[in-house]
Amino acid sequence: NAGVMQNPRHLVRRRGQEARLRCSPMKGHSHVYWYRQLPEEGLKFMVYLQKENIIDESGMPKERFSAEFPKEGPSILRIQQVVRGDSAAYFCASSPRTGPHTDTQYFGPGTRLTVL
Amino acid sequence: DAKTTQPNSMESNEEEPVHLPCNHSTISGTDYIHWYRQLPSQGPEYVIHGLTSNVNNRMASLAIAEDRKSSTLILHRATLRDAAVYYCILRDGNSGTYKYIFGTGTRLKVLA
Repeated sequence: NAGVMQNPRHLVRRRGQEARLRCSPMKGHSHVYWYRQLPEEGLKFMVYLQKENIIDESGMPKERFSAEFPKEGPSILRIQQVVRGDSAAYFCASSPRTGPHTDTQYFGPGTRLTVL
Repeated sequence: DAKTTQPNSMESNEEEPVHLPCNHSTISGTDYIHWYRQLPSQGPEYVIHGLTSNVNNRMASLAIAEDRKSSTLILHRATLRDAAVYYCILRDGNSGTYKYIFGTGTRLKVLA
């Protein structure tokens, strides 16, 4: 069973460009979480999605950031008009959510975004 | 969200047991205790989780205090590959989100 896949692994953008990060959850998982990690810090929750629905976006900046998890295809985290402060590692996690005891999240390898 | 407190760093000798402590004095009855570790330049890796009883798996053991206000992750024989940042996380079993709130974790250094 393949793990959570994220691409690209490294992404370089200039200020003002758009960054698009992709996450393919583990097979059978329909719940996706996005987290951001700034250098030398812990992970911060951004958004939680189920197929075609955003459940909790309390950790996501109101402007320039958006996320989706369509019925078919990977989950996408989109950052418009990137700024240097967006430089970070972005991690996706997936979960089967069959119950609170079996709700372990499995993380992907991350996308490291560098904004020049 | 419930919070956890961990030492910033710990050291261990290779092949010796390691006890990583975590305090969570504000834990509620429905909070699960999860442990993850993050190796350099990788995503967090699940280690173990529990609610009330001690838990064992192939990677580690989790000892939970009777009042649940603290827990200890036990690595029985540390190897160089266990050098990582270890995160203790409380996850609300009743919330609809189940999101993780990461702290700063404990950076474990394993000495050869």
